Amino acid sequence: DTGVSQDPRHKITKRGQNVTFRCDPISEHNRLYWYRQTLGQGPEFLTYFQNEAQLEKSRLLSDRFSAERPKGSFSTLEIQRTEQGDSAMYLCASSLAAAGPSYEQYFGPGTRLTVT
Amino acid sequence: AQSVTQPDIHITVSEGASLELRCNYSYGATPYLFWYVQSPGQGLQLLLKYFSGDTLVQGIKGFEAEFKRSQSSFNLRKPSVHWSDAAEYFCAVGVTHDMRFGAGTRLTVKP
Repeated sequence: DTGVSQDPRHKITKRGQNVTFRCDPISEHNRLYWYRQTLGQGPEFLTYFQNEAQLEKSRLLSDRFSAERPKGSFSTLEIQRTEQGDSAMYLCASSLAAAGPSYEQYFGPGTRLTVT
Repeated sequence: AQSVTQPDIHITVSEGASLELRCNYSYGATPYLFWYVQSPGQGLQLLLKYFSGDTLVQGIKGFEAEFKRSQSSFNLRKPSVHWSDAAEYFCAVGVTHDMRFGAGTRLTVKP
């Protein structure tokens, strides 16, 4: 078990370009979460999946943001037409849903996006 | 809606001194409460969590936290701080998938 991994760790892009980030959760975890963290703030929940189903996406920041988890394993987060305000750390987390409360989320190292 | 407040943006303590980081939450029922630590360039690591039962919970790295329902607080403590504890600390409240984080407290440790 190597933990949650994210790729790339850093991304610099020009305004207006599209970017895609990948997250590989802990292998037996069926829930996967995306967060955004801006400087001086805590992580802000964006969306989550249980297996391949995206169960919550109303908190995605705009329709430029989308996420997929096609086979219930890795996930991608795409930002279209990036803006400077999208510059942030994007964190992925995973957890194992169970019958009882099991909200312990394990976080990856994040992808730092800089939009110039 | 649930929310978390960490009143202290930055705290400096001397190595070996005790530490208390404050966290207040707002939620209609008993939430699930967490403390995470984030070192520069790293993801968040879970220090401890409270779901129910004993209101004093022990975590990793010698940390503990006490849930006080009457004060809506979940403060993090450590009796003797080590230089390696310098990091950003986040309190979070979670219900189902929706985890809300505080803005964090940055801890500096003086030699």
